[in-house]
Order: sequence, then structure tokens, then C-alpha cells
Amino acid sequence: QVQLVESGGGVVQPGGSLRLSCAASRFTFSSYGMHWVRQGPGKGLEWVAFIRFDGSDKHYADSVKGRFTISRDNSKNTLYLQINSLRLEDTAVYYCAKSYSGYSSGWYIFDYWGQGTLVTVSS
Amino acid sequence: EIVMTQSPATLSVSPGERVTFSCRASQSVNSNLAWYQQKRGQAPRLLIYGASTRATGIPARFSGSGSGTEFTLTISSLQSEDFAVYYCQQYDDWPPSTFGQGTKLEIK
Repeated sequence: QVQLVESGGGVVQPGGSLRLSCAASRFTFSSYGMHWVRQGPGKGLEWVAFIRFDGSDKHYADSVKGRFTISRDNSKNTLYLQINSLRLEDTAVYYCAKSYSGYSSGWYIFDYWGQGTLVTVSS
Repeated sequence: EIVMTQSPATLSVSPGERVTFSCRASQSVNSNLAWYQQKRGQAPRLLIYGASTRATGIPARFSGSGSGTEFTLTISSLQSEDFAVYYCQQYDDWPPSTFGQGTKLEIK
């Protein structure tokens, strides 16, 4: 069974930075695109960022563009999200999610999710 | 950006009954529509993709239909473990991919 384990969340002041990690196992990590999706307290799901299987293509939500950077290390089976210039509205549980397929038609189907890591932005 | 609208916000249904969730897109998403289930304190789980294809391990009581702008998710006979929040998501036009605001399924 696919396993995704996020880490790196915490409490940070506005304007601060964090790096989230997602350790992947039990599938061929280097063959699949990966995403970050977040959920604010008591709110719905918001897609944040995508990275292609080889890291050659990255997409971002407008709300995070220029502040967040998605990356991956296929040798370590790990996905990252560097979060800078944090705002109060970035407070959320951040999930990593696996793309259903290596083909672009399936990039944005999220077939497996981690349990999430909580980022709290507070002064 | 495509806006996804789910209705109603909350459904109160008894175990064993049939329930239908609705999802509408602000423009056509063809059949590029997925449904997810999220139980309290858990990550979302993929139920349906391609508007009507069940994901691996999803029971047959879950079914999806629709295309274009109107979609439904049906649970034929509610089990106790089905009470959760359900989200639709379009992946026809990205980025961004967008979710509906969710429908909470409560025990009546």
C-alpha cells in the first residue's frame, strides 16, 4: 500500500518560513507527479502545487505563487514544499498527494494522500 | 478558474437509505471529475474519477454519473462508515484544479 508521510509543520510568525517534507514509499516515486493540497481550519480543500515526476514542470496556485516552491529528490523518495513569507491565511493542514497516472490526463487525480502536517501562522 | 458548487451543504440521512450528492461546474469539465470522501481527522480518499469510475477498493454502493457541468455521486445503501464530508474536484482545466466546498453527510 502506498505510504506518504508529511513532516515539518509547526507554529511560525507572519513573514516566516518553513520547509515541509513528504516521505514516499511502496511505489515508484520517480514515475509519478506529486502535489501539495491544503485545508484551512474548518474549511475545504485547496490545491497548492504540483511537480512532474522528473521535476521538469511545476504548477502553483495563484495564492502561493512567488512564495512557495515545490521540489523533489527522487534519490530520497521525498517531496518538499518551501514556504516563505507566510501569512495568517496560510494556516492549514498541508497534505501531499500522489498523481494517479504518469500521463498528463491523470496528473490532477489524487489517488493517495498523506495524513497531513499542520502549519499555524500566528503572532 | 472553474468554480465547483456542491449542494446541499449538509445532508441528514438514515443508515440503509439511498443518498445523492450534487456538484455543478461553472463551465464544462467534460468527464474530468473526481469525488473524495473525508472522515473527521483523516485525509481525503479518492472514490470516483472520470465522473463514474470507482477507484481501487471502493465498494460498489458508490456510483458517479454526469458530464459537462452537472454531476452526481450516489450511495445506494448508507453504511455507518459512510458518514463523512464529500468533495467533488474538476481536473479538466488546470492549473488550478478546483474543489467544491463539500457536502457533509450526517446521521439522521
